[in-house]
Amino acid sequence: DTEVTQTPKHLVMGMTNKKSLKCEQHMGHRAMYWYKQKAKKPPELMFVYSYEKLSINESVPSRFSPECPNSSLLNLHLHALQPEDSALYLCASSLDSPTNTEAFFGQGTRLTVV
Amino acid sequence: AQSVAQPEDQVNVAEGNPLTVKCTYSVSGNPYLFWYVQYPNRGLQFLLKYITGDNLVKGSYGFEAEFNKSQTSFHLKKPSALVSDSALYFCAVRERSGNTPLVFGKGTRLSVIA
Repeated sequence: DTEVTQTPKHLVMGMTNKKSLKCEQHMGHRAMYWYKQKAKKPPELMFVYSYEKLSINESVPSRFSPECPNSSLLNLHLHALQPEDSALYLCASSLDSPTNTEAFFGQGTRLTVV
Repeated sequence: AQSVAQPEDQVNVAEGNPLTVKCTYSVSGNPYLFWYVQYPNRGLQFLLKYITGDNLVKGSYGFEAEFNKSQTSFHLKKPSALVSDSALYFCAVRERSGNTPLVFGKGTRLSVIA
């Protein structure tokens, strides 16, 4: 299994809603990532989890709250988002060893905040 | 700090012609280098990577890239372009030490014209 699975594929939410994005991988990867991507731009790193611990938070607003319940799952909890938060949210994972360092990406969740 | 430059926003090539998508990088020490492709409304797909060894790296779908340390470049190439190669291409770099995440270039849109 070489897949990173993200759900849902599409999400429309109001600014007062609470929702969660989910990401799952069964490749035994110990590093997992959340990226945000606006149209025609590169992915921007939001969070990195390494061995289920948050290792990097790229100064992301607190309305985005990551969670890593176990080594296979990564969630992104959303609350009180703004319309400018509308984007493609990508999850990725990597083995995180010196010889196997490519990240595998999910298909993304297209988020629209109304 | 590590960084990646993709000097071309757009590359146009006729089907059957060779293509090159340029990438230069800046890291302290030796890099890990990657190319990813993104089709519309999809996640990123890994194409190839340079870790060590042979400077010419072969990847998926007939793509290859050449690592040039003196020029700090990692250009993506394909001998004969297909219309289906039309997509957004991202070069990425990662430092070898620590749990550093990928840093992406801004992306180059490749259009292959029949």
